[in-house]
Amino acid sequence: QKEVEQDPGPLSVPEGAIVSLNCTYSNSAFQYFMWYRQYSRKGPELLMYTYSSGNKEDGRFTAQVDKSSKYISLFIRDSQPSDSATYLCAMSVDYKLSFGAGTTVTVRA
Amino acid sequence: DGGITQSPKYLFRKEGQNVTLSCEQNLNHDAMYWYRQDPGQGLRLIYYSQIVNDFQKGDIAEGYSVSREKKESFPLTVTSAQKNPTAFYLCATLLGNEQYFGPGTRLTVT
Repeated sequence: QKEVEQDPGPLSVPEGAIVSLNCTYSNSAFQYFMWYRQYSRKGPELLMYTYSSGNKEDGRFTAQVDKSSKYISLFIRDSQPSDSATYLCAMSVDYKLSFGAGTTVTVRA
Repeated sequence: DGGITQSPKYLFRKEGQNVTLSCEQNLNHDAMYWYRQDPGQGLRLIYYSQIVNDFQKGDIAEGYSVSREKKESFPLTVTSAQKNPTAFYLCATLLGNEQYFGPGTRLTVT
């Protein structure tokens, strides 16, 4: 079993829809939780970062962490075609990160 | 202009040849990392270094080697012992718990 499980999709939604992305993990030692966005043939860029259970909002993005269920989510409101990318969840402990496989999202205009 | 540079963007090699991928950073971050990305598999850690002259193996270090002689530089050598070297290679730094990535090098070995 992988430490971090993420449905690779692909996910296709119409412009303006809410995008919902999820990851589960098995290592209860993970302390920090992140979401990265990666455009095709580019390096990932950090979108959201949190270390506690609960919700964190940043503009159209909301990151949710449930440590008791070992489950994290990313919600994108009012999705735009420019949000089309691969989204990677990541978790870390002791300066080592473990990544999900990434979910490819397409927002249709 | 601060950041992480990786060169070249695309690299082609014949099977049996060693190849070195460059990674330079001017962010003054101590920790540097190398990942490999294959379709559908996410990022897998090859090597990481928390300080100069010290580095540790990641999950898939076999067939790779690194050096960390300067804080700014963390080159990765893909040796002929790596059975499936064709992949997208990403260099990264770490500040606190936030990882910053370079643009990547696409290596194709035929």
